[in-house]
Amino acid sequence: GNSVTQMEGPVTLSEEAFLTINCTYTATGYPSLFWYVQYPGEGLQLLLKATKADDKGSNKGFEATYRKETTSFHLEKGSVQVSDSAVYFCAPNRGSTLGRLYFGRGTQLTVWP
Amino acid sequence: KAGVTQTPRYLIKTRGQQVTLSCSPISGHRSVSWYQQTPGQGLQFLFEYFSETQRNKGNFPGRFSGRQFSNSRSEMNVSTLELGDSALYLCASSLAGRQSPLHFGNGTRLTVT
Repeated sequence: GNSVTQMEGPVTLSEEAFLTINCTYTATGYPSLFWYVQYPGEGLQLLLKATKADDKGSNKGFEATYRKETTSFHLEKGSVQVSDSAVYFCAPNRGSTLGRLYFGRGTQLTVWP
Repeated sequence: KAGVTQTPRYLIKTRGQQVTLSCSPISGHRSVSWYQQTPGQGLQFLFEYFSETQRNKGNFPGRFSGRQFSNSRSEMNVSTLELGDSALYLCASSLAGRQSPLHFGNGTRLTVT
């Protein structure tokens, strides 16, 4: 089956620090990989995605590369801002179905000014 | 384009009652999924509908049910509420295809007393 191991939080950083949130997955088939972000009181928003090996997804300064050989999809940002404070979720989909994502436990990020 | 709309936003019920939550997907999206989010269990998949048919079901008791209408709008129902059903219930819609991301609503916060 599919599963996700995501870096435990909480992660606390100062503004402009470098961010890495590790994510590894197990999956049958060839999943697409997603990072979602959840701000307080809201649902999840798609942050970025990658659909095949070596693809790099990027958005708002965040990047993640689909590494099939290590089954990883680590999230990085070179310089975080206070507004990046949120919970981040890594999620592969199940290759043959539509709406079922396998979410990690989420990583709480807090950025201090 | 309007996003995924969930109603109501907040709900308070007592044990033993039943509740119906509603979800209107993004126009053109035919796949609707439901997730339960709690601090202890994280995000757990409830079920997924496509073209009025349930395609996948998570590991929840039969008290949890859902349906999808011909206009793709979806409802989920929880009968005989228990305290442990208190959670944020998230609905997500997507286009068909494994590369299509989920688009989430802001959720319905259910409190069972």
